[in-house]
Amino acid sequence: EIVMTQSPATLSVSPGERATLSCRASQSVSSNLAWYQQKPGQAPRLLIYGASTRATGIPARFSGSGSGTEFTLTISSLQSEDFAVYYCQQYNNWPPKTFGQGTRLEIK
Amino acid sequence: EVQLVESGGGLVKPGGSLRLSCAASGFTFSSYSMNWVRQAPGKGLEWVSSISSSSSYIYYADSVKGRFTISRDNAKNSLYLQMNSLRAEDTAVYYCARDWRYCSGGSCYTLTDYWGQGTLVTVSS
Repeated sequence: EIVMTQSPATLSVSPGERATLSCRASQSVSSNLAWYQQKPGQAPRLLIYGASTRATGIPARFSGSGSGTEFTLTISSLQSEDFAVYYCQQYNNWPPKTFGQGTRLEIK
Repeated sequence: EVQLVESGGGLVKPGGSLRLSCAASGFTFSSYSMNWVRQAPGKGLEWVSSISSSSSYIYYADSVKGRFTISRDNAKNSLYLQMNSLRAEDTAVYYCARDWRYCSGGSCYTLTDYWGQGTLVTVSS
């Protein structure tokens, strides 16, 4: 099973600033990595797939990078609606489909 | 618009059973693999089970293997999860989620793109 580890667990950033979230895989997942955003009481929403491709309707301030075992989600200028929990998930080698434990992005 | 609506959650005693349903609309249900993913209160996401479009391939997480059964009815655009021998640790919001297959660089991959709003299952005496 591929273990996904996200850091930090909580990130405090001011609106308008940049946020950088990390995700590490226990073995290579190539570029088969997705990022999801989840707001309280809501279902997860797909943001990024293929490590760097934005899903339909996702604003350009969201960008993903990385391959192999190290990945980054960057939000270039935080808006109020971006404060949420973010999960990475690998889909290179499954079952099981494994998620990171999440990074909570909170307002500083 | 893709819509996934779960139902069937509720309070059940340990050792009991429950059947979850997911009604799909806005896409050709019979062409997509589907999943159940759960989230315990205050915790992260845990993949539970997947089923291919024609039910030929079915997979389970080790934590539910032998207790849960995933199925689908393409004529009714519906996905199901039969949960038996429920335990306290099965308490979670259960999400129905669609898989999307895309191809890039000569290879094809499957990832989860749309999720329902979830249904809460509570296992407690």
